Amino acid sequence: DIQMTQSPSSLSASVGEEITITCRASQTISTFLNWYQQSPGKAPRLLISAGSILQTGVPSRFSGSGSGTEFSLKIRGLQPEDFATFYCQQTYSLPRTFGQGTKVEV
Amino acid sequence: EVQLLESGGGLVQPGGSLRLSCAASGFTFRSYAMSWVRQAPGKGLEWVSTMSGSGTTYYADSVKGRFTISRDDSENTLSLHMDSLRVDDTAVYFCAKDDSYIVVVPAAQAFDNWGQGTLVTVSS
Repeated sequence: DIQMTQSPSSLSASVGEEITITCRASQTISTFLNWYQQSPGKAPRLLISAGSILQTGVPSRFSGSGSGTEFSLKIRGLQPEDFATFYCQQTYSLPRTFGQGTKVEV
Repeated sequence: EVQLLESGGGLVQPGGSLRLSCAASGFTFRSYAMSWVRQAPGKGLEWVSTMSGSGTTYYADSVKGRFTISRDDSENTLSLHMDSLRVDDTAVYFCAKDDSYIVVVPAAQAFDNWGQGTLVTVSS
């Protein structure tokens, strides 16, 4: 199975800041990488697919980049609703594994 | 609007069985693969099982042989039958819609809609 490792596991930030979350794959996965956001007590929400494709309705302050084994999710100008846990997921091979999550806190 | 509504969770003893259901609406159910993803208390997301629109099934090693996924395209319903439940199966189980008909790897596929989840607690 492909292991997905996110860093950091948690981070503290303030409204308006820019943050970056990193996701590393244990083997190359091209750009077959998705990002999800999960607010407390809520279902996950797909933010970005195929490494960098922003989903409909997702604010442009979110962006994804990377290929191969290293990927990043950037949020420019954090908003109060962005404080949540973010997960990466690879779809290069089965099982389609998730990272352990990065919690973004105030 | 896509809606996925899970039901069937509850408290069950180790070794017991439970059946989860997911009622789907707002899209052409038969045209998409559907999945179950779980989240143990305070933990991350773990893919459990997928059934493609063509009926092919996939399972995580941790549930293979114990869980059975099925779908009723006439009722727009996805199910997960869970046998031989263990304490470490305790989790919120989410129903998720794939954005494709079949599962292909490698491919740019994703879980584009999720239900709110149903809690399964396995405890004596």
